[in-house]
Amino acid sequence: QVQLVESGGGVVQPGRSLRLSCAVSGFTFRNYAMHWVRQAPGKGLEWVAVISYDGNKKYYADSVTGRLTISRDNSDNTLYLQMNGLRAEDTAVYYCARDSYDISTARGLDAFDIWGQGTMVAVSS
Amino acid sequence: SSELTQDPAVSVALGQTVRITCQGDSLRSYYASWYQQKPGQAPVLVMYGNNNRPSGIPARFSGSNSGNTASLTITGAQAEDEADYYCNFGDTSAHHWVFGGGTRLTVL
Repeated sequence: QVQLVESGGGVVQPGRSLRLSCAVSGFTFRNYAMHWVRQAPGKGLEWVAVISYDGNKKYYADSVTGRLTISRDNSDNTLYLQMNGLRAEDTAVYYCARDSYDISTARGLDAFDIWGQGTMVAVSS
Repeated sequence: SSELTQDPAVSVALGQTVRITCQGDSLRSYYASWYQQKPGQAPVLVMYGNNNRPSGIPARFSGSNSGNTASLTITGAQAEDEADYYCNFGDTSAHHWVFGGGTRLTVL
């Protein structure tokens, strides 16, 4: 069964750090780019970051560049988001999502086809 | 501009047809995808490549893209379709993905 399971969320003070994890199962993790998408309370979806299938390329939304770092461990089927210098505006549910493009088949849907259930990050003093 | 604009809220009578729209200049160049999100749940892909349904999505959902406007149409809306709907595109050359602000669909 294809599954993405986020963990690591919690309450943290402004300026502190947190690392989110996304454990993947049910598909060949190393064949897909992965994204983080967040949703502030009562707000819409915001794309945060993407990492290529091999981890060599990483791109970020302007709002998080320099503070959040995406990474992955293909040997452990896990995606990460290291969050440093947290701000109140980073308070959100953080979702990991699979990019549908499969490098082994060179086919995709141009969409996020699988999502985790999300993990909540609250930045508050 | 890479922004996508959606109406904040739309309502439809049970069994009737509703169209949810998403406007943005980038839609002239990129495919739109659509996500359904029910309260307390993760988003679910309901349409990709402008007008393709993933497996498991009911046939009452359809999509289109004309000019700078992408649309998600529900023909014969059901109570379970009540949700927030988000459009999205991926600018793969700029490595940047954008979501619309979302439309809350109420089924009356």
